[in-house]
Amino acid sequence: EIVMTQSPATLSVSPGERVTLSCRASQSVSSKLAWYQQKPGQAPRLLFYGASTRVTGIPARFSGSGSGTEFTLTISSLQSEDFAVYYCQQYNNWPPWTFGQGTKVEIK
Amino acid sequence: EIQLVESGGGLVQPGGPLRLSCAASGFTFSNFWMTWVRQAPTKGLEWVANINQDGSEKYYVDSVKGRFIISRDNAKNLLYLQTNSLRPEDTAVYYCARGDWGGGYGASWGQGTLVTVSA
Repeated sequence: EIVMTQSPATLSVSPGERVTLSCRASQSVSSKLAWYQQKPGQAPRLLFYGASTRVTGIPARFSGSGSGTEFTLTISSLQSEDFAVYYCQQYNNWPPWTFGQGTKVEIK
Repeated sequence: EIQLVESGGGLVQPGGPLRLSCAASGFTFSNFWMTWVRQAPTKGLEWVANINQDGSEKYYVDSVKGRFIISRDNAKNLLYLQTNSLRPEDTAVYYCARGDWGGGYGASWGQGTLVTVSA
């Protein structure tokens, strides 16, 4: 089973700042990586698949990059609605789907 | 608009059964893999099970194998999760999701249904 590790666990950020979230796989997952955003009391929402393909409707301030074992989700200028928990998930080798433990982006 | 609406959650005693349902609309249900993912209180996401388009392929996380059964009714656009021999550690919000890229990731998600296993 591929283990996904996200860092940091929590990020305290001010609105307008640039944010970089990391996701590491225990072995190569090629570009088969998805990112999700989850706000309190809501279901996860898909942001990216294929590591860098932004889902329709996701603002351009979000970008995804990486391949192999190292991946990054970047928010160029954090908006109030972006405070949430972000999860990565590999789908190169499933079952099982494996998720990272999440990174919480909170207001500083 | 794609909609997934889960139902069937509730309070159940340890060892009991519960059947969860997910009603799909806004897309051709029979063309897609479907998935159940759960989230225990204050915890992260955990994949539970996947089923392919015609129900001939099913996959489960090890912790539910032999206890949970995923199924679907393409005529009714319904996805099911039969949960048996429930344990306190099965307490979670259960989400259904449409599994795109051959069931690889969750493109659309329902709002979830809460299952609480407690005496």
